[in-house]
Amino acid sequence: AQSVSQHNHHVILSEAASLELGCNYSYGGTVNLFWYVQYPGQHLQLLLKYFSGDPLVKGIKGFEAEFIKSKFSFNLRKPSVQWSDTAEYFCAVRSNQAGTALIFGKGTTLSVSS
Amino acid sequence: DSGVTQTPKHLITATGQRVTLRCSPRSGDLSVYWYQQSLDQGLQFLIQYYNGEERAKGNILERFSAQQFPDLHSELNLSSLELGDSALYFCASSVGTSGNGETQYFGPGTRLLVL
Repeated sequence: AQSVSQHNHHVILSEAASLELGCNYSYGGTVNLFWYVQYPGQHLQLLLKYFSGDPLVKGIKGFEAEFIKSKFSFNLRKPSVQWSDTAEYFCAVRSNQAGTALIFGKGTTLSVSS
Repeated sequence: DSGVTQTPKHLITATGQRVTLRCSPRSGDLSVYWYQQSLDQGLQFLIQYYNGEERAKGNILERFSAQQFPDLHSELNLSSLELGDSALYFCASSVGTSGNGETQYFGPGTRLLVL
């Protein structure tokens, strides 16, 4: 079945460590790719998005993601995490094959210790 | 703040009851989407309305229905509630029909607890 997979369910890091969260999708054709973040008790906020062009996209709060079409991947990275990055991170895909809705991964919980 | 508002923030009700969740989209956005977030199913798309008309349907139960009014706010009606309907319900909005190149902005959600 077509889906969005986030490989890590829970990631625990110390402050200043580097972060990479994996996201793979199984939709072909034109895709729009998103990373959303959900801080504890808050709503989903857009971190970054990819529609077309440069496959390396930069978002808010120092996050970036790279779209690798051949690998159907859109991994999220941050060189140095902070305690305030503790949150749940969701990868989402909009695909012509799946219609107008966003298809979300299961999410990755990031815990950063100070 | 995304500009999408949802009320109420929390809702506690009993099995068999009916509730209505409300969403106001960002100014200028014509599409409203409803998503359900639960521990076992994750974030799942329920339904989309665009300028008052149903545009797309996802995993929405027959007991659930939605509508979008002329002022573009939307309501999600959940009836004959079951324990398993307990979840966080998000509304999102976008400018158009979420074709290629659109972003959906999410509201703060309504947490529903069915006892």
